[in-house]
Amino acid sequence: KQEVTQIPAALSVPEGENLVLNCSFTDSAIYNLQWFRQDPGKGLTSLLLIQSSQREQTSGRLNASLDKSSGRSTLYIAASQPGDSATYLCAASPNSGYALNFGKGTSLLVTP
Amino acid sequence: NAGVMQNPRHLVRRRGQEARLRCSPMKGHSHVYWYRQLPEEGLKFMVYLQKENIIDESGMPKERFSAEFPKEGPSILRIQQVVRGDSAAYFCASSPRRDTNYGYTFGSGTRLTVV
Repeated sequence: KQEVTQIPAALSVPEGENLVLNCSFTDSAIYNLQWFRQDPGKGLTSLLLIQSSQREQTSGRLNASLDKSSGRSTLYIAASQPGDSATYLCAASPNSGYALNFGKGTSLLVTP
Repeated sequence: NAGVMQNPRHLVRRRGQEARLRCSPMKGHSHVYWYRQLPEEGLKFMVYLQKENIIDESGMPKERFSAEFPKEGPSILRIQQVVRGDSAAYFCASSPRRDTNYGYTFGSGTRLTVV
């Protein structure tokens, strides 16, 4: 059974800092790895999706990497802004290709 | 193009009542997934449906929970005889294909409170 763990559970940084969020998964046989953002009381917004054959994906100030052999993914946020404050979730999709196994998330607070 | 629409946003039910949660997928999406987020827990997969078919309900509790996605209308997640432990956020997602590489779009969720 796939277990997805996110560290740290919470993070507070001053505006402008670069930061890294970590995600680990126990079963390396994944189809893809996705990062989502969840704002309080809102739904999930997809940020980045890394297919199993890829090593990283980039979108603006966000960069996500995937190392299947070690069961790890990282989300790098450059030059953080207060608007980045949210909970960040990673999710691993199994080879069946449709269900997602989520971590509990990292709650990020970026202070002005 | 509206996103995934879930209603109601908030639902309060007394123990023993029924809860009906609705999800309208994005236009052109025929695959619907329901997830539950319990307090302090990650999202857990419940069920995967296509029009008129349940494909995988391995994450659904065996009793009191059911889901449908009729030919016309939204997908419905139904919880009978609710208990306090059913209090959670229920999220629906839709996709154009049975393949997460094509991306999921999530709705804003229904927050169920059982009193």
